[in-house]
Amino acid sequence: AQSVTQLDSQVPVFEEAPVELRCNYSSSVSVYLFWYVQYPNQGLQLLLKYLSGSTLVKGINGFEAEFNKSQTSFHLRKPSVHISDTAEYFCAVSGYGGATNKLIFGTGTLLAVQP
Amino acid sequence: KAGVTQTPRYLIKTRGQQVTLSCSPISGHRSVSWYQQTPGQGLQFLFEYFSETQRNKGNFPGRFSGRQFSNSRSEMNVSTLELGDSALYLCASSAGVGSQETQYFGPGTRLLVL
Repeated sequence: AQSVTQLDSQVPVFEEAPVELRCNYSSSVSVYLFWYVQYPNQGLQLLLKYLSGSTLVKGINGFEAEFNKSQTSFHLRKPSVHISDTAEYFCAVSGYGGATNKLIFGTGTLLAVQP
Repeated sequence: KAGVTQTPRYLIKTRGQQVTLSCSPISGHRSVSWYQQTPGQGLQFLFEYFSETQRNKGNFPGRFSGRQFSNSRSEMNVSTLELGDSALYLCASSAGVGSQETQYFGPGTRLLVL
């Protein structure tokens, strides 16, 4: 069984400051890792994903994440946030090499960017 | 390409009724997955359909069912609605060739059960 833990339910940060959203996962098998963002009253949009290879993954809107196998973590970072980054961020996993598209999501982190 | 569309966007029902939600995937996508999003339980996987066959199922009661048509459009049905079924229901589509794929989500259908 797989599970995802997002340690912070809400992260307040000032505009132009750096931010890190934490994600840890648990799985008995290898996994693929994803970060999705959800703006108010919208569906989810993929920010980035880790499949294999380089552990530093770059995504859209200036976000990046680093896969750390020994710590089973996949933390999301941005060096300088904007007001428009205010949204809920979800970390998710799927089984490595699986045929189905089932995603297991964390509980989400609300990023609140203040001016 | 047009994105994933879901209809209706909002729905109000009363306990005991049934409801059908519709999802049209991105053109060419053969996999459609459904998720329930609530403040208490977060995002939970309901089921996935691929080429008209249910390929995976989450841990939900039998009141929740779905189907997929030959054009890949999918519907989910909830019978005998309960207050706890109030949620945002999201569908996502992908080409369906493996778990490494990006899933593209629709805007969701917000269901309120009174």
